[in-house]
Amino acid sequence: AIQMTQSPSSLSASVGDRVTITCRASQDIRNDLYWYQQKPGEAPKVLIYDVSSLQTGVPSRFSGSASGTDFTLTISRLQPEDFAAYYCLQDHIYPPTFGQGTKVEIK
Amino acid sequence: QVQLQESGPGLVKPSETLSLTCTVSGGSISGYYWSWIRQPPGKGLEWIGYVYYSGTTNSNPSLKSRVTVSLDTSKNQFSLKLNSVTAADTAVYYCARSVTRAVYFDYWGQGTLVTVSS
Repeated sequence: AIQMTQSPSSLSASVGDRVTITCRASQDIRNDLYWYQQKPGEAPKVLIYDVSSLQTGVPSRFSGSASGTDFTLTISRLQPEDFAAYYCLQDHIYPPTFGQGTKVEIK
Repeated sequence: QVQLQESGPGLVKPSETLSLTCTVSGGSISGYYWSWIRQPPGKGLEWIGYVYYSGTTNSNPSLKSRVTVSLDTSKNQFSLKLNSVTAADTAVYYCARSVTRAVYFDYWGQGTLVTVSS
């Protein structure tokens, strides 16, 4: 199975900060990469699909990019409602695999 | 508004079978993938498997042959069976729907905690 190595596992940031989360795939996954956000006690919610396409209704401060097998989720200006866990997910090669998650906490 | 609701026992004994049902309301089963995902307490997410509305299924080989996902279109439900459970199967189990691709989920259930313990 493809390994998705996500970093950091957690970070502390302040409202208004720029935050970057990275996932590295163990092999080529083309553009088949999603980012999900999960708030405590809730189900995950898709933010980005196909590396950089923003899901309808998701604020434009969220963006995604790729460089080879490295994928990045950027939050340009962190808002109070963005404190959550974030997961990458690939479905290029079966089985679909998630990254280990990044918990974004309030500094 | 589409809603998904998991149901089933919250406690299962080791070596027994975990059985969960997801009831879909506000929409049809047809045309979608119906999936199960789990999350051990305090840990990350794991895709378990899906059933397509046509009846085609696929599951995570990490769970070997322990998983069965099935559909009951007459009841607008789909189900998960995981046999020979151990404590490692303790998790919140989510059901979810996707349209164009199996893991592009647009609706989720709230999740249900299943504990494996004697």
